[in-house]
Amino acid sequence: EPEVTQTPSHQVTQMGQEVILRCVPISNHLYFYWYRQILGQKVEFLVSFYNNEISEKSEIFDDQFSVERPDGSNFTLKIRSTKLEDSAMYFCASSEYSGRDEQFFGPGTRLTVL
Amino acid sequence: KQEVTQIPAALSVPEGENLVLNCSFTDSAIYNLQWFRQDPGKGLTSLLLIQSSQREQTSGRLNASLDKSSGRSTLYIAASQPGDSATYLCAVPLSGYSTLTFGKGTMLLVSP
Repeated sequence: EPEVTQTPSHQVTQMGQEVILRCVPISNHLYFYWYRQILGQKVEFLVSFYNNEISEKSEIFDDQFSVERPDGSNFTLKIRSTKLEDSAMYFCASSEYSGRDEQFFGPGTRLTVL
Repeated sequence: KQEVTQIPAALSVPEGENLVLNCSFTDSAIYNLQWFRQDPGKGLTSLLLIQSSQREQTSGRLNASLDKSSGRSTLYIAASQPGDSATYLCAVPLSGYSTLTFGKGTMLLVSP
């Protein structure tokens, strides 16, 4: 069964460093998303991406964050200068046609900023 | 702004019991409602998607209902098993948007 994959599963970085989190959405899906979950808190929306551009973003998704679809399969989230408060589980998700469709989530990348 | 609340926050039951998890949302202008399962330290597994035009959706021992006008959904788990132990999350997108707003979840423990 097709699934969303994410790499790495765990990333440890120093404060101020840049990190890139990678995702491979389900192949025929058109909408892609990043969410995050700080330990013990709700899953929060970061950004959605469709047709090679950002379609929605939350207040969390500031200038330190960027997303890219560098090729036909990968979808990346870049954090330019990580802060301690960026430590969280980051989930990638995809849906087939629109936001009305079921969203399928990847296993997540645990980001630890020291 | 959409707010999603899940009650109870935690639930512990013996194996075999039927149980109900509750989800409420403040803005009824939703496309659909999705229930997820999350195991500790893991990703989210989609369990059921119920469209705003539907009242119920079933998958195996799971049944989700939706009352859009009152802003409520329930997830019914029949004949619970220890393998059902996980956190159950509900999430809704607002009409016109694709982004999901999540509840904090109900942590379920089913003991043998």
